[in-house]
Amino acid sequence: EDQVTQSPEALRLQEGESSSLNCSYTVSGLRGLFWYRQDPGKGPEFLFTLYSAGEEKEKERLKATLTKKESFLHITAPKPEDSATYLCAVQDTGTASKLTFGTGTRLQVML
Amino acid sequence: GAVVSQHPSRVICKSGTSVKIECRSLDFQATTMFWYRQFPKQSLMLMATSNEGSKATYEQGVEKDKFLINHASLTLSTLTVTSAHPEDSSFYICSAMTGYSYNEQFFGPGTRLTVL
Repeated sequence: EDQVTQSPEALRLQEGESSSLNCSYTVSGLRGLFWYRQDPGKGPEFLFTLYSAGEEKEKERLKATLTKKESFLHITAPKPEDSATYLCAVQDTGTASKLTFGTGTRLQVML
Repeated sequence: GAVVSQHPSRVICKSGTSVKIECRSLDFQATTMFWYRQFPKQSLMLMATSNEGSKATYEQGVEKDKFLINHASLTLSTLTVTSAHPEDSSFYICSAMTGYSYNEQFFGPGTRLTVL
């Protein structure tokens, strides 16, 4: 059974204080690893897809990296508007398009 | 591009009534749509996968007679919660695959269901 574990559960940063969120996963075969941002009371917003170990993708202050066991979402010089829950999900080669989500990291960026 | 809408955004109903939630892909055709449920401070749990023109595939533990899914066109899927009870209160979110963005699912804004 696919498993996704995210840490920390919650993170509070000062504006400009860089940090990283972790997503550890277990799958029989990785088709893709996805990062989403979710604001309270809203649906997830797509950020990145990573397909193979060593791959990196960047978008503004966010950078996602992937190894064979985990992914990191690096946040550089965060701003208050980056406050949200960040969700990680995996897609297994054996289960078609199904996504298995972690429980997320709730990020709060303070002024 | 890749915008998904849901209607209604919020619904309150009495126990025993049925509620229909619509999920639409606004600027693309979605051969596959997904329905998720999310409880407070928990992750998204896949309920079912819906393919246009065929029966939905339900995840283990999800009652197909209680959560009726219809994917009548390439832009519309509906979830009907039949005989709703307070324990069905949750945040229901749909997603859709575009077919050209490999494996990526784009999510709707969600529907908050409260059953009194």
